[in-house]
Amino acid sequence: GQQVMQIPQYQHVQEGEDFTTYCNSSTTLSNIQWYKQRPGGHPVFLIQLVKSGEVKKQKRLTFQFGEAKKNSSLHITATQTTDVGTYFCAGPKDSGTYKYIFGTGTRLKVLA
Amino acid sequence: DSGVTQTPKHLITATGQRVTLRCSPRSGDLSVYWYQQSLDQGLQFLIQYYNGEERAKGNILERFSAQQFPDLHSELNLSSLELGDSALYFCASSGKTTEAFFGQGTRLTVV
Repeated sequence: GQQVMQIPQYQHVQEGEDFTTYCNSSTTLSNIQWYKQRPGGHPVFLIQLVKSGEVKKQKRLTFQFGEAKKNSSLHITATQTTDVGTYFCAGPKDSGTYKYIFGTGTRLKVLA
Repeated sequence: DSGVTQTPKHLITATGQRVTLRCSPRSGDLSVYWYQQSLDQGLQFLIQYYNGEERAKGNILERFSAQQFPDLHSELNLSSLELGDSALYFCASSGKTTEAFFGQGTRLTVV
């Protein structure tokens, strides 16, 4: 079945360092979403990418959708302690479906 | 606050028992999703309802069932509970876009 893998599983960085998490799907995705889950919290929607090669920025966060629409990345510049949490990507199982398969997640810890 | 309400927040029950988790979606959202998140695990899609009808099914066990009522709230019923069912259960809702808004979750502990 469809799988969505993320690497790394865990990442510890010093505050001010950059961070990148990568998301890889076994199948082509019509779109990809990113969510952030703070420790003890619930997933919060960050962004959705739709177009091949699309790049979107939200302040210090840069999201990219691969040309083949099978991979994506989230890059955080100059991490802050508020960036702590687990970052999930999610892609629809089939085009047009609302059934999203979540990635395995990358847990980010930021050391002050 | 996402606007999605889940009750109860915590639930402790014994093996073999049956529990019901409740979810009220954001005002106007017709879609409700249920996810299971085990310790250190990702989010596993269980089931989706749209305006009262089942729309998509994931890896939901036969012991689990869900429904969405005319007022759009949803309930997830878990029966014959096993220790391995202990997890966080999230409900999410969406409207015209596929952006999902998650509730705070119900932490189920089976002892």
